[in-house]
Amino acid sequence: KAGVTQTPRYLIKTRGQQVTLSCSPISGHRSVSWYQQTPGQGLQFLFEYFSETQRNKGNFPGRFSGRQFSNSRSEMNVSTLELGDSALYLCASSRGTSHSYEQYFGPGTRLTVT
Amino acid sequence: EDQVTQSPEALRLQEGESSSLNCSYTVSGLRGLFWYRQDPGKGPEFLFTLYSAGEEKEKERLKATLTKKESFLHITAPKPEDSATYLCAVQDESAGGTSYGKLTFGQGTILTVHP
Repeated sequence: KAGVTQTPRYLIKTRGQQVTLSCSPISGHRSVSWYQQTPGQGLQFLFEYFSETQRNKGNFPGRFSGRQFSNSRSEMNVSTLELGDSALYLCASSRGTSHSYEQYFGPGTRLTVT
Repeated sequence: EDQVTQSPEALRLQEGESSSLNCSYTVSGLRGLFWYRQDPGKGPEFLFTLYSAGEEKEKERLKATLTKKESFLHITAPKPEDSATYLCAVQDESAGGTSYGKLTFGQGTILTVHP
C-alpha cells in the first residue's frame, strides 16, 4: 500500500514570493492535515481538510491557506513568504472518522526562504 | 489549551540498557494519545495509539502505557537502530468537534543508542 507522498521535497524561495505544496494521501483516506515543523516550535497544526472542506484550523496567519480536491489530494499555499516560514511542512492522512483517525505522515517538504 | 511535555529532552543509552520516555499531557478530554518515531530528514512514523487509562500496547522492543496524566514509552534492550526522536501527541475531543485532524505534539525525546 503506497504511503503519503509530498511534492516537491525541497524548495528554496525568496521573501515576498508565494509557494504551493502538494500532498497525496493514502488510498481510501479522506482526511488530510498539514503541520509545520521547526526546531524552535516543534510540530504545529496548520489545518485539516476532509471531503474538500476545511474542518479545523490552527493559529497561523491568513497567508497560510489550503484546499482539497475531490480525489482527496491536498495543496497548501503560503503567500508573501517571510524568513520565519522556513520549515519542514508535513502532510498527514487518515480516514478521519470516529472509528479510525490515526494519522500517517509523508516525508515532508523542506522550504527555505532567503 | 492542550499541553504536552516530554522528558527527558535527550537520552543516551548503551545497547541493551532498558529505559523509559515520559509524556505528560493536559487536555480537556482525551480522545487519543499517539506515539511517533522520527528519523532525521523524514516524516514521523506512527507507532501506537492509546485511548484510555490503563491501556498498554507493544511493538517489538517498545511498550507504551497510559495513565490519566501521562504516558510512558518503555524501550527494552534497545539497539542502535532504535536511535531516533520519539514524539508524543494528543487529540482533544473537545477541541475540534467532528474534526479528527488536530494533534498537539510535545517537543520530543532524542534517543541515542550506542553499540
